[in-house]
Amino acid sequence: GNSVTQMEGPVTLSEEAFLTINCTYTATGYPSLFWYVQYPGEGLQLLLKATKADDKGSNKGFEATYRKETTSFHLEKGSVQVSDSAVYFCALGDDYKLSFGAGTTVTVRA
Amino acid sequence: DAGVTQSPTHLIKTRGQHVTLRCSPISGHKSVSWYQQVLGQGPQFIFQYYEKEERGRGNFPDRFSARQFPNYSSELNVNALLLGDSALYLCASSLSVSRTGGDQPQHFGDGTRLSIL
Repeated sequence: GNSVTQMEGPVTLSEEAFLTINCTYTATGYPSLFWYVQYPGEGLQLLLKATKADDKGSNKGFEATYRKETTSFHLEKGSVQVSDSAVYFCALGDDYKLSFGAGTTVTVRA
Repeated sequence: DAGVTQSPTHLIKTRGQHVTLRCSPISGHKSVSWYQQVLGQGPQFIFQYYEKEERGRGNFPDRFSARQFPNYSSELNVNALLLGDSALYLCASSLSVSRTGGDQPQHFGDGTRLSIL
């Protein structure tokens, strides 16, 4: 079945550092890909999405490109802030459900 | 506009009991999905309902059931609770269901944290 494999954490960075979180997927067909973020004590918030190969999703300085040739959807941000500390989930959408990775905890130190 | 609302926010039950969790979708959204998130893991899909009909079911036992009401709100019921049912239960709503790869964004509530003693 369809699945997502996400880089394990935790990841600790200093403010203004570059962040990358790897995500690869296994799927039949052409699923949509998503990154969700979860702040402590809250539900999931959609960060960005891409619905077809070579699409680039972007939001709040985060970017991810849907790479069909490498079956990847890596998340990047050029300069992180303390407020970016959260758990990040890569997800694959097929028909009616989302399949999530295990999540990567990111901590940004001032 | 109000987002997805879930109630209660926290709940403590004992093994063998029954629990009902509630979800109100964003106004205008007709699809509701339920996910279970065990501590330290990603959410796992349980159900999706659209127009009051079950459209999808994840790999969960029959102790888990759900329904959607005419106003599109939804309930998740779990019978004969086990310790392993302790988790954050998330509800998500979307405008409709899409068969083109799930590209309808799902909007999540803050969840109900269920603890089983």
